[in-house]
Amino acid sequence: GAVVSQHPSRVICKSGTSVKIECRSLDFQATTMFWYRQFPKQSLMLMATSNEGSKATYEQGVEKDKFLINHASLTLSTLTVTSAHPEDSSFYICSARDGVTNEKLFFGSGTQLSVL
Amino acid sequence: QQQVKQSPQSLIVQKGGISIINCAYENTAFDYFPWYQQFPGKGPALLIAIRPDVSEKKEGRFTISFNKSAKQFSLHIMDSQPGDSATYFCAASISGDMRFGAGTRLTVKP
Repeated sequence: GAVVSQHPSRVICKSGTSVKIECRSLDFQATTMFWYRQFPKQSLMLMATSNEGSKATYEQGVEKDKFLINHASLTLSTLTVTSAHPEDSSFYICSARDGVTNEKLFFGSGTQLSVL
Repeated sequence: QQQVKQSPQSLIVQKGGISIINCAYENTAFDYFPWYQQFPGKGPALLIAIRPDVSEKKEGRFTISFNKSAKQFSLHIMDSQPGDSATYFCAASISGDMRFGAGTRLTVKP
């Protein structure tokens, strides 16, 4: 199956710093990528939809100035958590939609963010 | 508004038994129904998927049963193994816009 690479897998940072998470589709082009947040033992919470070459669409309640998303190419989307605080600590997951079928969704391995 | 309702929230099955997870949806426009498997600390992985014009799809020990009139679909794991212990998410999609169920934590006891 298609591979989506997400880095880093784990990051620990100090409060007030910014953290960038990368999501790459390795063997297919993804015009659309998605970013999720997942709390322990809970489902995936969609944060934003990222389309290549255009501004991301954020879900209600997600601060777009805090969670900056860039989708500069068909294979790369980045999520930057700006001025991170302890309440931003969470598991962040990206996914990429297969541009051929436009329905299959492939997920990255996730990033565990811990803000001290 | 939860568009896909999943049950049970957790499930414990003995090794060799059948695990059954159910999902129900409201929007008849959904046209793609995948199941994802997630291990702790990892992203979800596509397990099996079905389209509404098919009533059943089987891949190895995993089977999706789909009931279009009832707007329900389920995942059956035959001969469940301890390695199947994970969280399972059902989902429903309209033209790639995917909605997820709340997840089921499956534990298969040896």
